Amino acid sequence: NAGVMQNPRHLVRRRGQEARLRCSPMKGHSHVYWYRQLPEEGLKFMVYLQKENIIDESGMPKERFSAEFPKEGPSILRIQQVVRGDSAAYFCASSPGSGVSYEQYFGPGTRLTVT
Amino acid sequence: GENVEQHPSTLSVQEGDSAVIKCTYSDSASNYFPWYKQELGKRPQLIIDIRSNVGEKKDQRIAVTLNKTAKHFSLHITETQPEDSAVYFCAASQYNFNKFYFGSGTKLNVKP
Repeated sequence: NAGVMQNPRHLVRRRGQEARLRCSPMKGHSHVYWYRQLPEEGLKFMVYLQKENIIDESGMPKERFSAEFPKEGPSILRIQQVVRGDSAAYFCASSPGSGVSYEQYFGPGTRLTVT
Repeated sequence: GENVEQHPSTLSVQEGDSAVIKCTYSDSASNYFPWYKQELGKRPQLIIDIRSNVGEKKDQRIAVTLNKTAKHFSLHITETQPEDSAVYFCAASQYNFNKFYFGSGTKLNVKP
């Protein structure tokens, strides 16, 4: 049973470019969460999605950041016009869903470096 | 919103000793408290969790206690081993909202 998959594992972008981060949840999981981790810090919630729905995006910056979880394919976190402050590790987690299990299983993360 | 504080930020113990990491939370509606272990450059991994209807939970050398009145919970690791060295994160959540609020982490160093 494959775990949560994320790609790419490392991504280097120049300031002003776009970054696309992908997350495939565990088999049978329909809920996806994105967290950001700055160096030497804890994880900060960004967005919670179910298939074709954004449930909670209260942790997402208002500009440049967007997320989706289409009916088919992985969830995508998109950062437009990246700036140096976007450099961080971005982790995706998945869970079966409310009322079933509250555990979240994390992917290996994408380490974004903005030069 | 919820605010989770975690102490200490670093903890160094001798192999075989116990380690205790403490967290407090602010929202009395939080009812699920997981603990994650993160090794350098790796993903956070769930090591133990506790729900608000339970005061204590144990899994081999790891235990977690919860005091709902005081709004704090703690991770206890007994008979520490060098492979326990990692960063440990506590988190708080509500069942129906799912997002986790993480503490700032504790870097545990177990000296052989």
